[in-house]
Amino acid sequence: QQQVKQSPQSLIVQKGGISIINCAYENTAFDYFPWYQQFPGKGPALLIAIRPDVSEKKEGRFTISFNKSAKQFSLHIMDSQPGDSATYFCAAAYNNDMRFGAGTRLTVKP
Amino acid sequence: DAGITQSPRYKITETGRQVTLMCHQTWSHSYMFWYRQDLGHGLRLIYYSAAADITDKGEVPDGYVVSRSKTENFPLTLESATRSQTSVYFCASSESSQMNTEAFFGQGTRLTVV
Repeated sequence: QQQVKQSPQSLIVQKGGISIINCAYENTAFDYFPWYQQFPGKGPALLIAIRPDVSEKKEGRFTISFNKSAKQFSLHIMDSQPGDSATYFCAAAYNNDMRFGAGTRLTVKP
Repeated sequence: DAGITQSPRYKITETGRQVTLMCHQTWSHSYMFWYRQDLGHGLRLIYYSAAADITDKGEVPDGYVVSRSKTENFPLTLESATRSQTSVYFCASSESSQMNTEAFFGQGTRLTVV
């Protein structure tokens, strides 16, 4: 039973468009919600993260929206670029436990 | 070079054989982790270690053994490899005592069990 559910599995967006990836979690004890970006042949790397005391966090073109009552959070990539093409993983963590979503393969077409 | 390195990058082994995946980090991070990555499952935690000689099970520990005699090394051993253990394995480290800070991942080891 997956504790973090991520959708969609794959996403194709035109250059300049907005990419949106959604995640939902079960355990209300989670207190840290990172997004990792993974390029082919590489390990995941932290992209942006949020804690449940804020509803939104923005870093450049990347924004996390967090809805604590709905137990959902999402990643928005504004002005998507071909270089953003990668697999994105959401995660939720508490103490020594971090659970990942299944991943979203994003393709940004030029 | 500073960072976290895994070896080998690719490994093919036969069912029933023992295989060890190596992980080395140069940051002196206290926490180290082993994940496996499978299509449709994301990353799942196998084992983690809070410090040298302290290890604990994660979400999917069966069939795996870990040790941590030195802070910088965290090898993962498959004592008797099975086809279901074919996967990409990632080692990670974190300076914090909890998972709610950034984890740094290695480049992964692609293991095929035939």
